Amino acid sequence: GENVEQHPSTLSVQEGDSAVIKCTYSDSASNYFPWYKQELGKGPQLIIDIRSNVGEKKDQRIAVTLNKTAKHFSLHITETQPEDSAVYFCAASMISSGTSYGKLTFGQGTILTVHP
Amino acid sequence: NAGVTQTPKFRVLKTGQSMTLLCAQDMNHEYMYWYRQDPGMGLRLIHYSVGEGTTAKGEVPDGYNVSRLKKQNFLLGLESAAPSQTSVYFCASTSHWTGTGELFFGEGSRLTVL
Repeated sequence: GENVEQHPSTLSVQEGDSAVIKCTYSDSASNYFPWYKQELGKGPQLIIDIRSNVGEKKDQRIAVTLNKTAKHFSLHITETQPEDSAVYFCAASMISSGTSYGKLTFGQGTILTVHP
Repeated sequence: NAGVTQTPKFRVLKTGQSMTLLCAQDMNHEYMYWYRQDPGMGLRLIHYSVGEGTTAKGEVPDGYNVSRLKKQNFLLGLESAAPSQTSVYFCASTSHWTGTGELFFGEGSRLTVL
């Protein structure tokens, strides 16, 4: 099955700095890579996702890049703010029309702390 | 605008006791999932359901059972709790994959087995 490795496990930055979290996956058939943010006491929430036919996707201060050849993808947060402090999870899945059921394989998580 | 609701939010059990976690969603989603979250291990899929009356095993199904008698509800049962089942359990749901693929999570149920 799929295996997703995520690094670093903890990341501490100053407000305004950039933060980068990296993930690698093992199954070359995976084609969907979402990122989830989990705030304290809450369930994870999707913040951005990318499909394998795209190399990069941006949404305001966050971006995700995908390198299919190397089987790794990264989350980039620019101009970090204290409210970005949370646990971030990457995930991978193989989806195909009508046959996939959202069985995501998650990375281990990264605790991001943004210091004011 | 409830989304995904899990009950109970906290529970303490003794080894060997049984319990059921209830997940309810009001978004008419076909697919529902139970994950467990442990420190340093991310979220691992226990069981999932692709529709009313169907269930399937995920990555770590041993010691758990599930039922999906109604489309909006997905129950996770522990017949004989063990300390290794101490964890935070999350329920999630989604619509068919032709949509965004986003999983909607509940706020979690923290279970401690003594």
